[in-house]
Amino acid sequence: QQPVQSPQAVILREGEDAVINCSSSKALYSVHWYRQKHGEAPVFLMILLKGGEQKGHEKISASFNEKKQQSSLYLTASQLSYSGTYFCGTELYKLSFGAGTTVTVRA
Amino acid sequence: DAGVTQSPTHLIKTRGQHVTLRCSPISGHKSVSWYQQVLGQGPQFIFQYYEKEERGRGNFPDRFSARQFPNYSSELNVNALLLGDSALYLCASSLAPPDRGPFIPGNTIYFGEGSWLTVV
Repeated sequence: QQPVQSPQAVILREGEDAVINCSSSKALYSVHWYRQKHGEAPVFLMILLKGGEQKGHEKISASFNEKKQQSSLYLTASQLSYSGTYFCGTELYKLSFGAGTTVTVRA
Repeated sequence: DAGVTQSPTHLIKTRGQHVTLRCSPISGHKSVSWYQQVLGQGPQFIFQYYEKEERGRGNFPDRFSARQFPNYSSELNVNALLLGDSALYLCASSLAPPDRGPFIPGNTIYFGEGSWLTVV
């Protein structure tokens, strides 16, 4: 079953912060986050494992609440390069991806 | 090191035709997965192979099939193409199979650039 992402889209100015949420109806082993730019393949950002381990990338960090089966991706001091569609993937033997959150960062 | 490579990058097929997409995983990776991404949606899981065995199958019709070769490369075949099969087909590789559990870093998957299939 696919995880649910929110919001569907967000527009930021450079330097602003944003949070993208991902929730699942099933218990999860891990949550993966990817960013995809238009016309390109998804690029791995990070994986969050049960037990609270959190691995960040640049100024992007994330959290994983196992009890709530939720993950949040934090875009801090956003840069133009952060623009793209962010997907969370929830893992239980296979990765199931959400519908994505489109992030637009403007100068 | 080379990443996941896929071929062809773009192709156009006619309804009813057959297509074969190819994927070479990252060197040392033994697990290959295939995903279909329709415009505006997230990738949808099609198949996963590890050591030439199918380890998982998504909710796709039997027109979709795949296999993995001894060198861990993989092919995705789609028969009797429909207009709705038009999509980006992504191959992903990982070091470890999914059922080794969540605490092994190798479970991270890496996508190739994809094959854009247009069915007309």
